[in-house]
Amino acid sequence: AQSVTQLDSHVSVSEGTPVLLRCNYSSSYSPSLFWYVQHPNKGLQLLLKYTSAATLVKGINGFEAEFKKSETSFHLTKPSAHMSDAAEYFCVVSVDSGTYKYIFGTGTRLKVLA
Amino acid sequence: SAVISQKPSRDICQRGTSLTIQCQVDSQVTMMFWYRQQPGQSLTLIATANQGSEATYESGFVIDKFPISRPNLTFSTLTVSNMSPEDSSIYLCSVHGAPSYNEQFFGPGTRLTVL
Repeated sequence: AQSVTQLDSHVSVSEGTPVLLRCNYSSSYSPSLFWYVQHPNKGLQLLLKYTSAATLVKGINGFEAEFKKSETSFHLTKPSAHMSDAAEYFCVVSVDSGTYKYIFGTGTRLKVLA
Repeated sequence: SAVISQKPSRDICQRGTSLTIQCQVDSQVTMMFWYRQQPGQSLTLIATANQGSEATYESGFVIDKFPISRPNLTFSTLTVSNMSPEDSSIYLCSVHGAPSYNEQFFGPGTRLTVL
């Protein structure tokens, strides 16, 4: 069965410093993995996705993630945090093909300090 | 990408009543999904709705409580029946994006408060 674990429920960084949001997955096959962001009172927005192409995936707003099969990880990074990055971030794994269902991680709330 | 709208955006309801949430997509899609996001929690899949067939419910969700309709390829409704305060959540619909069927696009959500 597929699952994702977000290792931190809350992360605080200072503006201008790097961001690291950690995600580990469990899957019996090569998974599709996603990061979504949810700003307060806003809908979910796709940041980036991994679907078995390049292991380093670049997304919107300067975010990127690296798929590491040996570590079963898909951590989200950004070199320099901006105040507007403060939001809830969800790591997601897609269930086997045919159903295309998503399994969401528990989320990481990112706080950016001035 | 798909553009998805939901109605209502929010509502406050009395316990024991029902609310129907509408989800409209700007293009034809095969699969639509309904999620629940309880306060401070992550998203949980309620059911998958394909046009012309019964919705498929996830463990812990039943049709009597969350009946779903899917009359065509651009529209779906989710009804929350006989509501209790525990049903207070954000309800979101999503669709698969073509040609990348692995990717889902989400509606803005319906914020439901049950008193």
